Order: sequence, then structure tokens, then C-alpha cells
Amino acid sequence: SAVISQKPSRDICQRGTSLTIQCQVDSQVTMMFWYRQQPGQSLTLIATANQGSEATYESGFVIDKFPISRPNLTFSTLTVSNMSPEDSSIYLCSYGLAGLGEQFFGPGTRLTVL
Amino acid sequence: GIQVEQSPPDLILQEGANSTLRCNFSDSVNNLQWFHQNPWGQLINLFYIPSGTKQNGRLSATTVATERYSLLYISSSQTTDSGVYFCAVNTGNQFYFGTGTSLTVIP
Repeated sequence: SAVISQKPSRDICQRGTSLTIQCQVDSQVTMMFWYRQQPGQSLTLIATANQGSEATYESGFVIDKFPISRPNLTFSTLTVSNMSPEDSSIYLCSYGLAGLGEQFFGPGTRLTVL
Repeated sequence: GIQVEQSPPDLILQEGANSTLRCNFSDSVNNLQWFHQNPWGQLINLFYIPSGTKQNGRLSATTVATERYSLLYISSSQTTDSGVYFCAVNTGNQFYFGTGTSLTVIP
């Protein structure tokens, strides 16, 4: 399986600011996904990122708050905009083998908003 | 959407004990995975198991898709097994994660 990495691994941010999280895969993948894991909770899908098209957002998540880029088949970014303490979570990216096959996850970005 | 429930929600084991974790899902799925989330937050793939039984060392998993459940067996537990175990199902459109089982193995 391809190796998937994320930057930064953690950050502490002030409310009202924005943070961009990068996700890099060491081989080309068709579909990449972004998830949020709030403290003590399970993972919730934010959006699916396909190269060459706009991301598809799940209910409760909007592009203005979580803009996503997918400039090529190995890279994606998620921006958390105008942050509030409620955005404090672990954000994880993943890819699926053959699209929606077996999923592999990056190490996550632990975000704390003060 | 599909509901994915895991039980028990919390489990404390003495080192060396065995355990069974359960994942129930409310609708037909294309595939199912088990993950271990370690204390640092990283998700580790354990099994990709749409149906049948697989074994990997001290861990094994069984999925009975027709009855909409999967089981994860941990034998001879070790302190490094501590963390949260998630199942995740794919309905063809996206993955849905279960509620998780938090496991603590004490020496």
C-alpha cells in the first residue's frame, strides 16, 4: 500500500484564524477523503476529493468552512477556516484502493483552537 | 444513512485475557474494515473483511454479511493492544465508521 503523510502533525491556533493541512501520498490514487474526529468521538467524513473536480461535501460540512484542493493524484489540502474552539479535533486524510476499496489513513493532524 | 454500532463501548482486560468485539450494521454493505486507533491517534489497518474469517497472529475477525455483523477476536491481550477499535463499512458511496470500543489492557 502507498505511504500517506500529513502536515502538520499538530497545531495550536487562535480563534478566527485558518489552518491548511496537507496530505501527501507516495503514489497516484483516484479518491482521497478527509475526516474529522472530535474528542472522544468516532470519525465523520467531511468530503471526498477527486482530482480535476470540486470536492463533494457531506451533510453538515460546507466549502466556505472547509475548502479542499486536489491539484494532482498524490496531494490534497484541507483548510479549516475562521476557526472556533469547536473545531478542535483530529483531522485525517485517507485514500481508498480502487476508489472505495480498502482505506488507508494518514497519521492525522491534532488541532487545538483557543 | 446506515447505522454502525459497536459493543461493548468500553472494555478493561487483564493482560493475557481474551476478548470479542462486535460490530453490527443496519444495511447491506460492500465491505468492512477493522482499525485500531493507538493512543497517538493513528489508525492502523487490522482487517479488510467483507465476509468470512481472517487471522493475523493473535487477532482474528469474522464477518457474517447476511446477518449484518462482524466480530474481532483478540487473544492473549497485551498492553500494546490498548486503544480504540473501530469497524467501518462501505455502502458503495462512502465509508461509515462505528461508534468504537475503547480497550484498556492492564498489566
